[in-house]
Amino acid sequence: DGGITQSPKYLFRKEGQNVTLSCEQNLNHDAMYWYRQDPGQGLRLIYYSQIVNDFQKGDIAEGYSVSREKKESFPLTVTSAQKNPTAFYLCASSERGYNEQFFGPGTRLTVL
Amino acid sequence: AQRVTQPEKLLSVFKGAPVELKCNYSYSGSPELFWYVQYSRQRLQLLLRHISRESIKGFTADLNKGETSFHLKKPFAQEEDSAMYYCALKNYNQGGKLIFGQGTELSVKP
Repeated sequence: DGGITQSPKYLFRKEGQNVTLSCEQNLNHDAMYWYRQDPGQGLRLIYYSQIVNDFQKGDIAEGYSVSREKKESFPLTVTSAQKNPTAFYLCASSERGYNEQFFGPGTRLTVL
Repeated sequence: AQRVTQPEKLLSVFKGAPVELKCNYSYSGSPELFWYVQYSRQRLQLLLRHISRESIKGFTADLNKGETSFHLKKPFAQEEDSAMYYCALKNYNQGGKLIFGQGTELSVKP
């Protein structure tokens, strides 16, 4: 399984701490996405980026931040302002914004 | 508003029985719909898309614009079909983001 990697697989955070989730892809894809997966709610878009040095808010961006300094990397920071951060986070990428999205294995974040 | 609805959280069938996972959508333009599957301990992956009109692993899905539905069907379920299934709609207004339904867990019993 290459393509899109996310690290770490499991992450524990204390309340009040910021934490950064890594997402890397070697598919040379332009677009990258961050989704949050909660039981019974499907996946919801947090942020997306269609090109390097540009990104847009998704449906639930509050309490999160991203950067896109390199084409292959799209890290997500979960800040202390995110009220309910415990969730499963999925990163995805696509060749262009309108093509098939490929997903990473996910990071499970737990706030203690 | 754009929305995808999967009314069943859990669908349990016996091996060899037909399966239909329901998906209804709301979209103002011409929809592009997908089914994604997540097997246990594996990543989310594309199962099929309506524009391809293909059959993958015996599954088919037909877009019904009149009923705004995109139900996933398989005539004879197998145990290895047990997984979480998500219906998704592409939103061209937000960089091609996917709008997901809540998901349906399919359990195929021997």
